[in-house]
Amino acid sequence: RKEVEQDPGPFNVPEGATVAFNCTYSNSASQSFFWYRQDCRKEPKLLMSVYSSGNEDGRFTAQLNRASQYISLLIRDSKLSDSATYLCVVNRHSGGGADGLTFGKGTHLIIQP
Amino acid sequence: EAGVTQSPTHLIKTRGQQATLRCSPISGHTSVYWYQQALGLGLQFLLWYDEGEERNRGNFPPRFSGRQFPNYSSELNVNALELEDSALYLCASSLARGTSSYNEQFFGPGTRLTVL
Repeated sequence: RKEVEQDPGPFNVPEGATVAFNCTYSNSASQSFFWYRQDCRKEPKLLMSVYSSGNEDGRFTAQLNRASQYISLLIRDSKLSDSATYLCVVNRHSGGGADGLTFGKGTHLIIQP
Repeated sequence: EAGVTQSPTHLIKTRGQQATLRCSPISGHTSVYWYQQALGLGLQFLLWYDEGEERNRGNFPPRFSGRQFPNYSSELNVNALELEDSALYLCASSLARGTSSYNEQFFGPGTRLTVL
């Protein structure tokens, strides 16, 4: 089983719609969770950290379910500029420090006018 | 505020040569991470440096190595280049361990390495 699994998509969604992605992780020792966004041939950019209680940033809402080991991202009122690949990212901590991030392969989102 | 910078943007080498990639972290960040993103694959963790020391490495052979300088900038060296080393190499930086957001990593634009 892969450490971080995502549906690669593509998700084709009309502008203004709500879209949700899920991501599952295999290592129960994982402690930090993030969503990154990556545009074609660009570097990943941090979209938001994911907290246990769930968190919201404008049109974006992230949820974490530790019991089921999944993370979700909800985008409301989607814009054309939301078209990108969304990367689910998990960080294990060992010895009190951070390891490198483990990335999913990403979910490709296409917002259609 | 300047972000993570990397040089060169593109690098073309031949099989067997050595490549050196450079990274400057965001001011105030002391941890530097290196990742490889090969075509069609996800980002793979390579190396993590913090306070000048190698803290962890991913599942890559020893010909991938690096170092971190006193000013927290970093180099990644790849020896005996192979065709499959062709990839985008991304550097990220974060705050020091022990700070509340230390594991939020911010990426540079990458160096695209092509091995012929």
